[in-house]
Parts: sequence; C-alpha cells; structure tokens
Amino acid sequence: EAGVAQSPRYKIIEKRQSVAFWCNPISGHATLYWYQQILGQGPKLLIQFQNNGVVDDSQLPKDRFSAERLKGVDSTLKIQPAKLEDSAVYLCASSLEGGISTDTQYFGPGTRLTVL
Amino acid sequence: AQSVTQPDIHITVSEGASLELRCNYSYGATPYLFWYVQSPGQGLQLLLKYFSGDTLVQGIKGFEAEFKRSQSSFNLRKPSVHWSDAAEYFCAVGAYNQGGKLIFGQGTELSVKP
Repeated sequence: EAGVAQSPRYKIIEKRQSVAFWCNPISGHATLYWYQQILGQGPKLLIQFQNNGVVDDSQLPKDRFSAERLKGVDSTLKIQPAKLEDSAVYLCASSLEGGISTDTQYFGPGTRLTVL
Repeated sequence: AQSVTQPDIHITVSEGASLELRCNYSYGATPYLFWYVQSPGQGLQLLLKYFSGDTLVQGIKGFEAEFKRSQSSFNLRKPSVHWSDAAEYFCAVGAYNQGGKLIFGQGTELSVKP
C-alpha cells in the first residue's frame, strides 16, 4: 500500500513570498491532517479535514495560512506571505476513519520550508 | 488543557543496553497515548498506542510502554537497543472528545554508541 505522499520535499523562499505544499493521503482515508514541526519541537496540528470538510483549524494562522481538500482526496496548504518564523517541516498525515482519536495516523515524509 | 512533557531532550545509550524514554502527560480524563518514531528525513511512524485495558502495551520493533495513571506517565522501553534505533521519539496524547487531534511532546533524540 502506498503511503502518504508530499511535495516538494524542500523549499527555500524569501520572506513575504508565497508557497504551497501538496499532500496525497493513503487511498480511502477519510481524515487528513496538516502539522507544523518547528526545529526542536513536536508536531503541532494546523488543520484537520474529514473528507472535504474542516474539522479543526483552531491553530491555523488564518491571516496567512490557507488549506483546502478538494473532492476529499488531495490537499494543499498555502502560506502567503511567509514570515521567518514559518521555517519548519510541514507534515501531512491521514487516517482511515472520521477523526477518531483511537485511529492510527500515517505520516508523510514532510516538506522542509526555509524562509530567508 | 492537555499537555505532554518529555523531560529528556537527548539520550545516548550503548548498543545492546536497555532503554527507557520518559513521557508525562496532563489530562483530566483517561487519555489515549501514543509513541511515534521519526528517523532523519522521514515522517513519523507509530510504535504503539494505549487506549484502555492492560497497562503494558507491546509495539513494533521490540518496544513496549507502560501506562501508570498514578504517575501520569507512559514511558517507552526496549530491553536491548540496536544501532538502527537511533532516531527521535515523540510521545503524544489524544482524547475521546478531541476527534483525531494529537498533542505531541517536544521529542527525545536517541543516539546509540557502538
């Protein structure tokens, strides 16, 4: 079974530029998560989708971050404009069920963003 | 609010030695507890999870963890460490009323000496 795919793997941009990340979850998984992992910290949930609806975006900085999950499959996360503090690894994860806490989350390899 | 503390930022053990990584959580009800491992350049992989029942949980790669409610702990153990176990380990907590949301600790980096 193919895992969670993410692209690009690395991205370097100047502050105030925009950037987008793409995630393709495991086939058939209803729930998709985006996490931000700053160096030296654990992942922090940014947004959670169940199918194509948003379940939790309470920690998403909505003035600059946006995310969508069209047709309940692939998802994109966008930052516009980027700040220095956005430098982090952005992880995508998916789970089979509808966001149940007992459900295993499968993580992609992440996109490492550097903002200069 | 839920929180997770991993007191050790970095641990070094010799190959073949035993390992214990500490995790303390803060949550009012019975938590759902997880341990994940992250190798360099890789995503997180689930090692084991605890929801209820037997407080000693077996996972993949020879790892186990014990839930101790009285100590609010969920420590990860392995009797004999292999060089390939060198990675970063994250403890996480979820709850029945939080959907799939997980709160992660800051991680413990494990180095293995030959």
